[in-house]
Amino acid sequence: GENVEQHPSTLSVQEGDSAVIKCTYSDSASNYFPWYKQELGKGPQLIIDIRSNVGEKKDQRIAVTLNKTAKHFSLHITETQPEDSAVYFCAAKTNTGFQKLVFGTGTRLLVSP
Amino acid sequence: ETGVTQSPTHLIKTRGQQVTLRCSSQSGHNTVSWYQQALGQGPQFIFQYYREEENGRGNFPPRFSGLQFPNYSSELNVNALELDDSALYLCASSLPQGSGEQYFGPGTRLTVT
Repeated sequence: GENVEQHPSTLSVQEGDSAVIKCTYSDSASNYFPWYKQELGKGPQLIIDIRSNVGEKKDQRIAVTLNKTAKHFSLHITETQPEDSAVYFCAAKTNTGFQKLVFGTGTRLLVSP
Repeated sequence: ETGVTQSPTHLIKTRGQQVTLRCSSQSGHNTVSWYQQALGQGPQFIFQYYREEENGRGNFPPRFSGLQFPNYSSELNVNALELDDSALYLCASSLPQGSGEQYFGPGTRLTVT
């Protein structure tokens, strides 16, 4: 089955710096890659996603890139702000008959003022 | 906010007991997925319901069961609770199969003592 690895587990940056979180997946049939932000005591919030027919997608300060050949995808956050501090999860969905997301283990991002 | 609601927010049960968790999906979403999130881990897929039928299941034993109702709301039932069942239980609603996007509720924190 699908396996998703995520690095780093923790990331500390200064406000205004960029942050990059990387994930790899094992199943070449995966075709949808969302990123979620989870704040303390809340459920995961979908912040951006990318499909296998696209190499890059951007939404204001966040962007996601996908390298299907290497089975890598990454989240890029520019001009980080303290409110970006949270746990970020990558996930992958295989092209099965149902919508099962396989999640990475999460990255705790801390943005210091 | 995603429009996905879950109840109760917190629950404490004793080993061996049974528990029922509830989820109301976002308006127009007829697919509901349930995930278990242990402390410090990413969510793990339990099962998914579509048109009141289970149409996909993760690596969880039969004592984890569910229901979906005609209004697309859903229940997760866990029998014979074990200490390791202590976790945050998340439900996610989505549009009909193929879109991939899943929107999570705030979760139910279950503690088994």
